[in-house]
Amino acid sequence: RKEVEQDPGPFNVPEGATVAFNCTYSNSASQSFFWYRQDCRKEPKLLMSVYSSGNEDGRFTAQLNRASQYISLLIRDSKLSDSATYLCVVNKGTGGFKTIFGAGTRLFVKA
Amino acid sequence: GAVVSQHPSRVICKSGTSVKIECRSLDFQATTMFWYRQFPKQSLMLMATSNEGSKATYEQGVEKDKFLINHASLTLSTLTVTSAHPEDSSFYICSASGTSGGARADTQYFGPGTRLTVL
Repeated sequence: RKEVEQDPGPFNVPEGATVAFNCTYSNSASQSFFWYRQDCRKEPKLLMSVYSSGNEDGRFTAQLNRASQYISLLIRDSKLSDSATYLCVVNKGTGGFKTIFGAGTRLFVKA
Repeated sequence: GAVVSQHPSRVICKSGTSVKIECRSLDFQATTMFWYRQFPKQSLMLMATSNEGSKATYEQGVEKDKFLINHASLTLSTLTVTSAHPEDSSFYICSASGTSGGARADTQYFGPGTRLTVL
């Protein structure tokens, strides 16, 4: 079993749709959690951190459920520019933490 | 804040030559830098982790004599691909984490990547 698992997709949605991505992690001692976005042939860019209390940034909402070891990302009112690969990222350990990247979920938003 | 640059963005070289890639944190001190490789349509693969002034820690299966990493200062790390071969052609991306200049120690900030093509 992978340490961080994501549905690879692709998700094909029309503009304006709401889409949700899920991610599970295996190490209960994981400390911090993030969603990154990676466009084709570009580097990953931090989208948002994920907290147990939930984190919202405009059309994007991230949630963490520590009991279920589950992270989600919700995108509302999808735009064409949201098309990308979304990476779930988990840090385990403190101090010299180790970062584990999910394989990513591809999203295509179509007009 | 927390900007990372990488140079060169693209390099094409002949088989057998060595290529050096630089990674710089521009507005924060990078206590830790990471080097990744990504093949087309595949996920990021961590190659090594380096702390300033220390030897890099390589992931299993990554040859340290082939991929030389130097993290000589808090703002610069270099990756040298020695005696490059066509199978080394890939997208190499560095990232950095730190605690100054708006950076968070638990967050990786990525450089724009270097696309290496070995002929």
